[in-house]
Amino acid sequence: NAGVTQTPKFQVLKTGQSMTLQCAQDMNHNSMYWYRQDPGMGLRLIYYSASEGTTDKGEVPNGYNVSRLNKREFSLRLESAAPSQTSVYFCASRDRGGHYGYTFGSGTRLTVV
Amino acid sequence: QKEVEQDPGPLSVPEGAIVSLNCTYSNSAFQYFMWYRQYSRKGPELLMYTYSSGNKEDGRFTAQVDKSSKYISLFIRDSQPSDSATYLCAMEETSGSRLTFGEGTQLTVNP
Repeated sequence: NAGVTQTPKFQVLKTGQSMTLQCAQDMNHNSMYWYRQDPGMGLRLIYYSASEGTTDKGEVPNGYNVSRLNKREFSLRLESAAPSQTSVYFCASRDRGGHYGYTFGSGTRLTVV
Repeated sequence: QKEVEQDPGPLSVPEGAIVSLNCTYSNSAFQYFMWYRQYSRKGPELLMYTYSSGNKEDGRFTAQVDKSSKYISLFIRDSQPSDSATYLCAMEETSGSRLTFGEGTQLTVNP
């Protein structure tokens, strides 16, 4: 099925460890987004990429880096994980030029101990 | 103050009830309004999309936008246990490049 694929689905890290969350979409969408979702906080934008070759900070970019590898793939990296980064991470995509809704992936549940 | 306010609930109703979910917003530039449904441990999925003011109906779901009051609503008629989920509102400016989400309202429909 066409859509947004996130890997891994679950991850436990120790404080200070690094990891990369992977996201790929096969809908030929231009724009891709990374959100984190926490109880009582809703969805908060970390970084986004309006088109291949561009990336911009969202509301909560500190502690994260991103790479738009090509049109399909947009990765999120935690260089030195902290317990405050325990969250559910969602990747989303949509066509540029239209104010349409996003297509979301199924999420990555990350726990930092 | 958040740009988009949404009562987080939880909201619990009996099967068959009419459910009203609401969001208020402060940015008068918002023109595009959406509702997402998120089942437990899943990603959000787009449920309804409206542009500017007015109503939109899709089966048991009706979305309303009142730009003069900066208020949007989602109504669910004849609610079913399968409607149990978190509902998030989202909106965007004409010149925008990303959506602004409400916190989400957790709904439980009891058989």
